[in-house]
Amino acid sequence: DTGVSQDPRHKITKRGQNVTFRCDPISEHNRLYWYRQTLGQGPEFLTYFQNEAQLEKSRLLSDRFSAERPKGSFSTLEIQRTEQGDSAMYLCASSLRYEAFFGQGTRLTVV
Amino acid sequence: AQTVTQSQPEMSVQEAETVTLSCTYDTSESDYYLFWYKQPPSRQMILVIRQEAYKQQNATENRFSVNFQKAAKSFSLKISDSQLGDAAMYFCAYRQPYGQNFVFGPGTRLSVLP
Repeated sequence: DTGVSQDPRHKITKRGQNVTFRCDPISEHNRLYWYRQTLGQGPEFLTYFQNEAQLEKSRLLSDRFSAERPKGSFSTLEIQRTEQGDSAMYLCASSLRYEAFFGQGTRLTVV
Repeated sequence: AQTVTQSQPEMSVQEAETVTLSCTYDTSESDYYLFWYKQPPSRQMILVIRQEAYKQQNATENRFSVNFQKAAKSFSLKISDSQLGDAAMYFCAYRQPYGQNFVFGPGTRLSVLP
């Protein structure tokens, strides 16, 4: 296991389309996080799973956003009816005890 | 809500010199963790150093060390013998125990001058 894996690395979509991102955490990590990062800014928390349970959601996570982590393994983040303001880097991280380990992110561009 | 502040949007340092990046945070909790993460231009966040709030001793990792002042809610990062590869965005982050989310500061862009 080489770390947190995210797919795709880049996604260009037209406004109004739905997109889904996948995150594969480090295998023994029970905690999984999604963050959004715009250029030059710090990551903003979106949601957090402990095993398969979604324990916390940010107010940033509008009704158009949904995340799942079936069976406590990989996770998906779906954005419905994308808007230009959704353009950002979406980061996934996993954790076992203290620190989080991040994937390389999925860069979303909405045109 | 917890907040993390990094008051230096950009810093620069000469190669082989020492630089200190500042971070302050706001919390009413007594038990928490603090982190410094590095994000090079490739954009994958990498952990630099971690500090547990209950530990009085400042954490050290090779050329990286912190100055943790719990009463002042200050957590600065010192990079000694700066190298060109240290150039990156540096983010200070806070987390309470038990898996709650990480709160990040806005970051400091560090340039290393040859």
